[in-house]
Amino acid sequence: NAGVTQTPKFQVLKTGQSMTLQCAQDMNHEYMSWYRQDPGMGLRLIHYSVGAGITDQGEVPNGYNVSRSTTEDFPLRLLSAAPSQTSVYFCASKGAASYNEQFFGPGTRLTVL
Amino acid sequence: AQSVTQLGSHVSVSEGALVLLRCNYSSSVPPYLFWYVQYPNQGLQLLLKYTSAATLVKGINGFEAEFKKSETSFHLTKPSAHMSDAAEYFCAVNNSSASKIIFGSGTRLSIRP
Repeated sequence: NAGVTQTPKFQVLKTGQSMTLQCAQDMNHEYMSWYRQDPGMGLRLIHYSVGAGITDQGEVPNGYNVSRSTTEDFPLRLLSAAPSQTSVYFCASKGAASYNEQFFGPGTRLTVL
Repeated sequence: AQSVTQLGSHVSVSEGALVLLRCNYSSSVPPYLFWYVQYPNQGLQLLLKYTSAATLVKGINGFEAEFKKSETSFHLTKPSAHMSDAAEYFCAVNNSSASKIIFGSGTRLSIRP
């Protein structure tokens, strides 16, 4: 199993550009999430999904869109990048049971100039 | 609502000394609790988890944590610190619907030679 994969690993954008961060998992997990990690702020939840076709907002959703057309994929779209979105982004997946832990991808380091 | 609080954003110990990282939780349902570790420039990986089977949970790399309901705590310990333990550690709790895991703000552990 590859687990949770993310592409790209690094990305530099100019303000106003759009892009999609890719996330895929091969563990047949129902739940998937996107987090951003900033120094001193821990992990903040952007969006999450409990199954194909179902998404919901986390604590910092503004400026980001998600969709979940398949169980495996959960892309994160930046509509118009801003310097405040410079961060490290982590995708994670978990099974539906309460005792299931989350599995994390390796992260995408995004810089917006 | 579920939440976790990690006391101390930075902990420094000498090599060979006891490691104690503190985590207190708040949960309206019986909690499932997790400790994750993040090494520099990597994603998060699970250290251990509490799923109500036993209050003392042993994890990887010699770490363990004890669930204390009366104190609403789930502190992480290791008897003897090693230089390779230097990392950031996150405590987490599942939310009531199990659709996401809520993370604390993290504790950075430094090891002095």
